Amino acid sequence: GESVGLHLPTLSVQEGDNSIINCAYSNSASDYFIWYKQESGKGPQFIIDIRSNMDKRQGQRVTVLLNKTVKHLSLQIAATQPGDSAVYFCAETHGTDKLIFGTGTRLQVFP
Amino acid sequence: EAGVTQFPSHSVIEKGQTVTLRCDPISGHDNLYWYRRVMGKEIKFLLHFVKESKQDESGMPNNRFLAERTGGTYSTLKVQPAELEDSGVYFCASSQTAPGWTGGEKLFFGSGTQLSVL
Repeated sequence: GESVGLHLPTLSVQEGDNSIINCAYSNSASDYFIWYKQESGKGPQFIIDIRSNMDKRQGQRVTVLLNKTVKHLSLQIAATQPGDSAVYFCAETHGTDKLIFGTGTRLQVFP
Repeated sequence: EAGVTQFPSHSVIEKGQTVTLRCDPISGHDNLYWYRRVMGKEIKFLLHFVKESKQDESGMPNNRFLAERTGGTYSTLKVQPAELEDSGVYFCASSQTAPGWTGGEKLFFGSGTQLSVL
């Protein structure tokens, strides 16, 4: 397994608040985007995805927003819980099986 | 259902030594991927197998890295000789069909192998 990275951008939120994690992507041809959650000692775990023909998709407590004009992706977590503490990665792909990951954001939830 | 398993979970070796990482994908998954995260940076693609064939190995950094998937089941990733910059976490992932086609929820990652080259 892996310990969480020490020098990642960090977002600290209070339990119960909403969290917004942002990601910029570079390839305007990317057509599929995924958010992953990585907890300490575990591999990336799928949270939610969105295709380029959509600008918003909702899951359970999570929403992904896609702005293709500025090549920006965000993950919104409602009513953040301690169990949401992890490193979050966005990933993109453009017609291939190869995922291109962002650098990750560490989410810390405090009581 | 057993998930993707990787062995070892940690490996500490000296520069110049050889290390072999193993990945057992979920049974029945034809697609197997290797990724790595170096020095807390982004996770980068290494290569993709479809059954025993290399579909895309564009991410392999150099010829010190050799990946195999004999019989289309488990895969090994050998680093020989290891260098300091090879340190990082090596992830394996598998899917029954390619994620771009059926969705990211169909791609499953292992817990990774933490490689430290001293």
